[in-house]
Amino acid sequence: ILNVEQSPQSLHVQEGDSTNFTCSFPSSNFYALHWYRWETAKSPEALFVMTLNGDEKKKGRISATLNTKEGYSYLYIKGSQPEDSATYLCASRTQGGSEKLVFGKGMKLTVNP
Amino acid sequence: DAGVIQSPRHEVTEMGQEVTLRCKPISGHNSLFWYRQTMMRGLELLIYFNNNVPIDDSGMPEDRFSAKMPNASFSTLKIQPSEPRDSAVYFCASSKTSGDNEQFFGPGTRLTVL
Repeated sequence: ILNVEQSPQSLHVQEGDSTNFTCSFPSSNFYALHWYRWETAKSPEALFVMTLNGDEKKKGRISATLNTKEGYSYLYIKGSQPEDSATYLCASRTQGGSEKLVFGKGMKLTVNP
Repeated sequence: DAGVIQSPRHEVTEMGQEVTLRCKPISGHNSLFWYRQTMMRGLELLIYFNNNVPIDDSGMPEDRFSAKMPNASFSTLKIQPSEPRDSAVYFCASSKTSGDNEQFFGPGTRLTVL
């Protein structure tokens, strides 16, 4: 069974704070790690797809790193804004041809103005 | 592009009734996924299709659930008979097999079974 864990489960920060959260996944048979941003009453939107150990991706103030050997990924938000408030999901995919993604429970971020 | 289209957006039904959820994937995408989202279990994959063929249905809860994809632009998820514990948000997503397999999600169907 592939377990994807995210921590913390929720986070309240003030506008301007920088945040980071962790996604851990089994490192064996790793193929890809996906990050999604999910706003309330909307559907999940893809942020990043990462495959290589040491990968670092950036989109605006949001960036992510990947360590496939130890099975974790960090998501960073620099200078959080209220519009960053959302649930951030990570999902892992294993080798073997399956397109199945196993999602973590998500990390709910609230940025207070 | 219109994105992934799901209907209905909301469904309220009584226990024992048949429920059919519908999904139209993004044109050109050849993989389609059905997910269920609950507070307890988060986002879980129920079944996925590639080129209209079911590939992995290990997440389908039980025989009351069935899914079909008769062509590349349409899929249904059916629950018969429905039970209160089936209440959840059901998402459909689609992707291209090539590339990074980014999955694009529809708006979801919120199902309430009374």
